[in-house]
Amino acid sequence: DSGVTQTPKHLITATGQRVTLRCSPRSGDLSVYWYQQSLDQGLQFLIQYYNGEERAKGNILERFSAQQFPDLHSELNLSSLELGDSALYFCASSVVGSGETQYFGPGTRLLVL
Amino acid sequence: GENVEQHPSTLSVQEGDSAVIKCTYSDSASNYFPWYKQELGKGPQLIIDIRSNVGEKKDQRIAVTLNKTAKHFSLHITETQPEDSAVYFCAARKLNTGTASKLTFGTGTRLQVTL
Repeated sequence: DSGVTQTPKHLITATGQRVTLRCSPRSGDLSVYWYQQSLDQGLQFLIQYYNGEERAKGNILERFSAQQFPDLHSELNLSSLELGDSALYFCASSVVGSGETQYFGPGTRLLVL
Repeated sequence: GENVEQHPSTLSVQEGDSAVIKCTYSDSASNYFPWYKQELGKGPQLIIDIRSNVGEKKDQRIAVTLNKTAKHFSLHITETQPEDSAVYFCAARKLNTGTASKLTFGTGTRLQVTL
């Protein structure tokens, strides 16, 4: 158990809908990262937050957004969902950012029908 | 941006044999190289990492080697056991200042250890 929690574990929704994925980092970790894992794209970095502020951005679609709250939990919002958004979404956390080990949560499996 | 290639995509070894997974990276500024193990239905778990000022690191049956000149690093698992069966990912992190950090992952190697 990494200490990173994610909810929900599974999510089934329809195209065009909006969903919110939630992540609680390990106690004491200030950085949160979001990754998307799909069969054909592997593990893709989406975005990083550090202490409430965006720090690094990857190939995150404009339909996707994230935020980190004062209690350090983070939410990833996915809107106007498409079939291709079906994937595993992982959250990871680390103490700071650069140079620190990232610990991954168990993931949220999203299925868009 | 950084590109990480990983080989092989699948690897089958007999219990007790060694397994080697290789990765190459493109950005010479990368300075941190972790390896993650992902079991079915779980998130990736860090098993070992190496920084660019070190050429080799070992932890029991697992070792990682780094060749900065050639820009490649490898994972070595000795005396493999059935519980080593999983998907293994290498990753590379580009040097960043401050608190920004971005890991680029390889495409994964599915390791199967047979009895």
